[in-house]
Amino acid sequence: AQSVTQPDIHITVSEGASLELRCNYSYGATPYLFWYVQSPGQGLQLLLKYFSGDTLVQGIKGFEAEFKRSQSSFNLRKPSVHWSDAAEYFCAVGDFNAGNNRKLIWGLGTSLAVNP
Amino acid sequence: DSGVTQTPKHLITATGQRVTLRCSPRSGDLSVYWYQQSLDQGLQFLIHYYNGEERAKGNILERFSAQQFPDLHSELNLSSLELGDSALYFCASSVGTGGSNQPQHFGDGTRLSIL
Repeated sequence: AQSVTQPDIHITVSEGASLELRCNYSYGATPYLFWYVQSPGQGLQLLLKYFSGDTLVQGIKGFEAEFKRSQSSFNLRKPSVHWSDAAEYFCAVGDFNAGNNRKLIWGLGTSLAVNP
Repeated sequence: DSGVTQTPKHLITATGQRVTLRCSPRSGDLSVYWYQQSLDQGLQFLIHYYNGEERAKGNILERFSAQQFPDLHSELNLSSLELGDSALYFCASSVGTGGSNQPQHFGDGTRLSIL
């Protein structure tokens, strides 16, 4: 069955430090991968997505993610974290095969705290 | 601002009651999705409507139902509420039928608390 795992429930980094949030997926076909961010009291905002092509994708707010098929991973990175990046981050894989529910399968999220 | 509007923002009610959550999609989006976010289950897909028709069902209970109206807004109806239904309910919209190149844009959610 398709699944998404975010191994880190909570991460704390210092402002200015680099960040990597891990995401592993289990999916039988070519995955469509997404990272969303949820700021406190707000909905989910799309950071970036991978469908095909270059395995390093750039997103908004200075984030990037790299698709590694051999590792079934799609880790999110940012070279220098800002205090405003404190939020909940969700990785998702799109199950868009014909005949299936066209839905996103979500990880449980990683909560990011940023120390000043 | 994602352009997706959900009302109300907060809802407090009692067990056994019925509530209706409302969602207005982004202008031009024909698809509406409903998700339930709870601490133990994370984000769970409930149901997908496209241009007024149900396209896909996820982990939606029989006590829950939804519809999408001709003006494309959608309502999620939750009945015979139980304590476990307390959650954040998100609506998302996308342009087409939900293909891979159509990211979903989320509203700010409705927080439902069952007392």
